[in-house]
Formats: sequence, C-alpha cells, structure tokens
Amino acid sequence: SQQGEEDPQALSIQEGENATMNCSYKTSINNLQWYRQNSGRGLVHLILIRSNEREKHSGRLRVTLDTSKKSSSLLITASRAADTASYFCATVGGYGNKLVFGAGTILRVKS
Amino acid sequence: GAVVSQHPSRVICKSGTSVKIECRSLDFQATTMFWYRQFPKQSLMLMATSNEGSKATYEQGVEKDKFLINHASLTLSTLTVTSAHPEDSSFYICSARDSRRVSSYNEQFFGPGTRLTVL
Repeated sequence: SQQGEEDPQALSIQEGENATMNCSYKTSINNLQWYRQNSGRGLVHLILIRSNEREKHSGRLRVTLDTSKKSSSLLITASRAADTASYFCATVGGYGNKLVFGAGTILRVKS
Repeated sequence: GAVVSQHPSRVICKSGTSVKIECRSLDFQATTMFWYRQFPKQSLMLMATSNEGSKATYEQGVEKDKFLINHASLTLSTLTVTSAHPEDSSFYICSARDSRRVSSYNEQFFGPGTRLTVL
C-alpha cells in the first residue's frame, strides 16, 4: 500500500523559478529518498536523507525532513526545462527492505 | 556503475499469452531484486521481492501464479505474466540492490521499465 501523499499533484512553473514538492508519510522510517522519473522511463535516484538528518543538499536540490510531522520537502532551485518530470518520495521503514512510494508530483518547467 | 537493464522495453501481446520480462544487473551482483507495477500517471506499487535461489515474496493482493518470478542467478531476475489479459497492461519496473552494499538504507537501482500492452 502507498505510504502517503505528495503535494502538489502537479506543478507548473517558469524556468528559473524554484519548485517545492512535499511528501507526507504515515509510519516511522529509517530513511526517505527522492526519485525522478521522466515520462515512460525508469527512476533516477536523486537524494537520500536519513531519519536523524533534518536537511540535505545536492547541487540544486535541497531536501528537508521533519520526523515529528512525518513530512519531507524537495526544493529544486533555479529550475530548468530539463527538470520536467515526475518526482516521487519513497520511504524505508525501520527494518528497511522495501521502498514505499508516494503518489508523486508532476513538475512541468516552461521555457 | 550500478546499471540495471530490462528486456524488452516494450511488448505487445495477445490476450491469453504469456510474457517474460528480464531484469539484469550489469555491473554488480544482486541477491535481491524488486518488481514494481505502475499505471499511467500513478505511483509505483511493489509487486514482489525476488531473492536469488529462493522463492519470491509477494505483496498482498498480487497473484503469485499470475506473476511468476524466477531469480536464478545473482544478476538476473525474470517476471512472467501468465495468461495475460488487457487489465495486465502496465509499466513494469524492476530494481536491484547491490549485494556488496548491504545496509539499512536500502539503496535500489532501477531498470528503465517495460511497457506491456495486452490486446
């Protein structure tokens, strides 16, 4: 079953703007991961944040994790048209084996 | 490194036939692979966990006789959709864990997916 929700479901922005996507989950986690999926393709791992971390950066990506609220956000700064894709969060539980994916956010960056 | 391939990338078959999808880890060994199903504009649903040399573990609601999984080697897992019907049409994605990097972080490397269309 799906772990939780992502919002917004769809986001359309202009190139150069920042994009923020949120993810909520329901149970305790070991870590949370963000993936990108271009249309009809496989998933690309973007970033992993552990349950004892609050913020992580990777290039133009910034991820935050609030375990008290069971939520995470992914910020993409200075967006590019090539960032157009679906973005999914996925959680790994305490006895970590499975990835449980959120519903995803469809991001469209207009040039 | 950590490349996972899937074959075929697209398959169209007639209702009632069986279709085999291969998932290969190209540059690492994977004792554990995962099979996901994705409907259009929806998220990935885990179908089963494939373990090398043993039976797969299926998620609740997934028919194991319908979706046969074989993980015969450390680099290959296959998913066979038996007696396929139009409702089985979907995007099937596999992932693999690198056996050398066993950790609680569960890093998975994903294949490019297989689009199955059953007529």
